[in-house]
Amino acid sequence: DAGVTQSPTHLIKTRGQQVTLRCSPKSGHDTVSWYQQALGQGPQFIFQYYEEEERQRGNFPDRFSGHQFPNYSSELNVNALLLGDSALYLCASSRGRGHTGELFFGEGSRLTVL
Amino acid sequence: DAKTTQPTSMDCAEGRAANLPCNHSTISGNEYVYWYRQIHSQGPQYIIHGLKNNETNEMASLIITEDRKSSTLILPHATLRDTAVYYCIVNLDNNDMRFGAGTRLTVKP
Repeated sequence: DAGVTQSPTHLIKTRGQQVTLRCSPKSGHDTVSWYQQALGQGPQFIFQYYEEEERQRGNFPDRFSGHQFPNYSSELNVNALLLGDSALYLCASSRGRGHTGELFFGEGSRLTVL
Repeated sequence: DAKTTQPTSMDCAEGRAANLPCNHSTISGNEYVYWYRQIHSQGPQYIIHGLKNNETNEMASLIITEDRKSSTLILPHATLRDTAVYYCIVNLDNNDMRFGAGTRLTVKP
């Protein structure tokens, strides 16, 4: 049973560029959340997708956007990259929303902005 | 903002119990206490969660005080592979989990 898979694992961009990160949730899961983790800090919630719509959003600017596809996979897009966007981007999946069960995390996509 | 306070770092001898404290004095009645850990360069891993009663699973035990203002995660027999950052999170459910800085646990041989 494949867990949460993310791609790419590493990528380098320059300031002002745009990036798309991808996530496939664990089998049977329909809810995807995205987190940003800067070096030495805990993960920060970006947003959550369920039924192909953004359901909750953390304190991130509109440069951060996402999408969820009918097969429940998801993309995170970041426009006009800043140096401060360099971080590990984590995807987490769960079954349904508002449950108390565990979140399953992927290994992350490490973005470096030069 | 994280609703919890944890020590920045802790050490534990291999084979001994690791007791990781967490303060959550502003917890509300319907909020759960969750614990996750993150081993270097990996995504966070769920450990355990509880509401009022103490909980135990194959990984750890969670002890929640009667007033629910603090809790302790117990790893009964720590191994070198338990070296990680441990996050204590207070939340209504698994949506919008707010991670703090966590406790960096180092298990030493």
